[in-house]
Amino acid sequence: KQEVTQIPAALSVPEGENLVLNCSFTDSAIYNLQWFRQDPGKGLTSLLLIQSSQREQTSGRLNASLDKSSGRSTLYIAASQPGDSATYLCAVSRWNTGFQKLVFGTGTRLLVSP
Amino acid sequence: DGGITQSPKYLFRKEGQNVTLSCEQNLNHDAMYWYRQDPGQGLRLIYYSQIVNDFQKGDIAEGYSVSREKKESFPLTVTSAQKNPTAFYLCASSIHPGAGDTEAFFGQGTRLTVV
Repeated sequence: KQEVTQIPAALSVPEGENLVLNCSFTDSAIYNLQWFRQDPGKGLTSLLLIQSSQREQTSGRLNASLDKSSGRSTLYIAASQPGDSATYLCAVSRWNTGFQKLVFGTGTRLLVSP
Repeated sequence: DGGITQSPKYLFRKEGQNVTLSCEQNLNHDAMYWYRQDPGQGLRLIYYSQIVNDFQKGDIAEGYSVSREKKESFPLTVTSAQKNPTAFYLCASSIHPGAGDTEAFFGQGTRLTVV
């Protein structure tokens, strides 16, 4: 059974700091890995999608890496801003008898202070 | 704008009552999903559908039902058999795998509370 763990569960940093969020998964047979952002009481916003054949993806100040063999992904946020405060979720996708099943971690709650 | 629309944003259910959550997408995606989110837990899959008129149970389908009569719509009914329905419900969609990009997109959620 695929299990996804995110460490730390919560993180508080001052504005401007670079930071790394971690995601680990137990089964390396994944289709892709996706990072999401969730603001309080809101839905999920897709940030980055990394296909299983890729090593990293970048979007603006965000960079996500994937190491399938070790079952790890990191989300790097450069020059953090108060607007980055949210919960960040990672999800791994498996191709299971004809459909894409996402397995989610419990998230890292990020607070960036001015 | 393309996206996924969930309604209502807040829903209150009395004991023994069935309620239906709406999910509509205009992304022309084949696959649609319903997830439940509880505090301190990851999202859990309730039901999913790959094509019209077909759907499958996810990990926690008991007490829920769905239909997929149109490609763009995937309503979720929370029945009275669901003993602990208070949660945040999220609908998602993706292009059917095999067509390339399999990124999942989510709606803004419906918060259901039992009163």
